This record gives sequence, C-alpha cells and structure tokens, in this order.
Amino acid sequence: TQLLEQSPQFLSIQEGENLTVYCNSSSVFSSLQWYRQEPGEGPVLLVTVVTGGEVKKLKRLTFQFGDARKDSSLHITAAQPGDTGLYLCAGVTGTYKYIFGTGTRLKVLA
Amino acid sequence: DTEVTQTPKHLVMGMTNKKSLKCEQHMGHRAMYWYKQKAKKPPELMFVYSYEKLSINESVPSRFSPECPNSSLLNLHLHALQPEDSALYLCASSPRQAVNEKLFFGSGTQLSVL
Repeated sequence: TQLLEQSPQFLSIQEGENLTVYCNSSSVFSSLQWYRQEPGEGPVLLVTVVTGGEVKKLKRLTFQFGDARKDSSLHITAAQPGDTGLYLCAGVTGTYKYIFGTGTRLKVLA
Repeated sequence: DTEVTQTPKHLVMGMTNKKSLKCEQHMGHRAMYWYKQKAKKPPELMFVYSYEKLSINESVPSRFSPECPNSSLLNLHLHALQPEDSALYLCASSPRQAVNEKLFFGSGTQLSVL
C-alpha cells in the first residue's frame, strides 16, 4: 500500500509567520499535486510538480518536488488568515490513480 | 462552466433506505471519480469511470453501486448502508485519459447513516 505522510498534522500560527509542510513517501510518483480544502468544500488544486527537483512558486507559496520524486514540500511566506485550510498532497502513480496524503490542518490567526 | 455539481449537499438515511447521490459536470471531461472522506482524514478513492466505463473499483462493498449514464453524469446508489459509512462523498472529474491531470472536485454530499 502506498502511503503519503504529511507533517505536521496541525499547525496554528500568527499572521505574518512562515511555515513549511512536508509530504513524504517511500514510493516514487510520476508527479505530485497539492490541494487546499476548506470546510464543507472539495479540494482545489494549487499546483502540480512533475520533474524531480522542480520548484514552483505561486505568489507566497513555494512548492518543491524531491530529486527522487518521493517527497515534496510546501513553504508559505508571510501567512495570512486566508491561507487557513486543509492542505493535501496527492501522489500520482498512474492514470486515474491519485493517492492523497494524511493532510495538514493550517490555522492562521489574525 | 468549470464546476462539478453534487446533489444533495446533505443526506440522512436509515440503514434500510435506498438513496442515490448525483454528480454532474459540463466541462467535457471523460473521467469521473467517487471519493469517500471521513472526518479529519484524506479522500479515499472508491471508483473511476473513464469514457463511461468503470475503470477502477477499489474493492468497495456492494452496498455502494456506481452508475455513469452519460459522459456528464455520475451516480452513486446506496443501499443497506452502515453507520460507519457516514462521510463526505466527493465527486471529481478530469479532462482526459492522461497521467498528471488536474482533478476538479464538487463540494460533496455529507452523508449520515443512522
């Protein structure tokens, strides 16, 4: 069974702080996606990283795919209350096969 | 239209009831998915339809029965469910039969089984 472990599970920080969320596995993925989910809603895609070592930036969010394509990180600079939500990584192993990580619940306090 | 629409938003049913969840998309996507998400857990894949044919069944109990009547519509028929089946049921779609596609999710149906 392929597992994607995220850490930390929960994070409560003050507005303006920086944070990093990790997504780790012993399996190799063809790509890694990051989603954010708000209460009562479905996940929304933030980014897809495909190449080992790839770094993508989305405003204050920086995503990195590990060289071996087994892990990924999400770094948020100067967090804002609007960043609050459940962050999910998803490893893509083949056509239609998306394995979701254990999730990181982020709360940013004003 | 870039939405996946799920109905109903909330559903309460008894263990002897039969009910159906509905999912619609009009983006021309050819793959549609059912995921189950328990509270404070990640989504777990249940079924995938590709070009209206069942491609993946993740060993889901037969009390869950998926149906894809056409390329825009996906149903999940529920019968004799157990209280542990209470969860958020998410529908998703993706454009093509390709790896690394973006999943478009609906808002889900919050199901409570009494």
